[in-house]
Amino acid sequence: EAGVTQFPSHSVIEKGQTVTLRCDPISGHDNLYWYRRVMGKEIKFLLHFVKESKQDESGMPNNRFLAERTGGTYSTLKVQPAELEDSGVYFCASSRIAGGGTYEQYFGPGTRLTVT
Amino acid sequence: QQQVKQSPQSLIVQKGGISIINCAYENTAFDYFPWYQQFPGKGPALLIAIRPDVSEKKEGRFTISFNKSAKQFSLHIMDSQPGDSATYFCAASKDPGGYNKLIFGAGTRLAVHP
Repeated sequence: EAGVTQFPSHSVIEKGQTVTLRCDPISGHDNLYWYRRVMGKEIKFLLHFVKESKQDESGMPNNRFLAERTGGTYSTLKVQPAELEDSGVYFCASSRIAGGGTYEQYFGPGTRLTVT
Repeated sequence: QQQVKQSPQSLIVQKGGISIINCAYENTAFDYFPWYQQFPGKGPALLIAIRPDVSEKKEGRFTISFNKSAKQFSLHIMDSQPGDSATYFCAASKDPGGYNKLIFGAGTRLAVHP
């Protein structure tokens, strides 16, 4: 079973530019999450999709961030325009109900975004 | 406002020793407490998880100790090995199964020296 994949692995852009991150969840996983880790700090939740619907977007920092999950498969996270404080590692995770009623979240390797 | 506080930030342990990482939380609504392990270039992977109705859970060399009254939980790695060198994150969720968002600690970078 393929894991969660993210593209690109690393992106360097200038302030004011636009960047789109992509996440492909594990096949069959209805839940898809985006998280972000700013250097040395905690991994922070951004939002949660259930299939194509946004279940919880309470962690989205501002309206420069737009997440989509068309068709309930892969998801994109667009940052427009990017600011210096958007630098960090963006993780995607996916889950489905597992044994014991738990929803183990499987994480992708992350996209390291650097805004200069 | 950091809801889950993790310490230490970094930890060096000799091979065969015990590694101990501590976390404290504030929100009594949290009902699921997982630990994640992350190797360089990889995403975090679930290591072990506990619910507040038990005080301890052990899986191999990894043990979670949970103190509900103190709102603290810790990860103990027995007989630490160089292959355990990684960053460890504690987390918490209001959902007993981890369906909802995870609230993470800041991470502990563990180095096990041979």
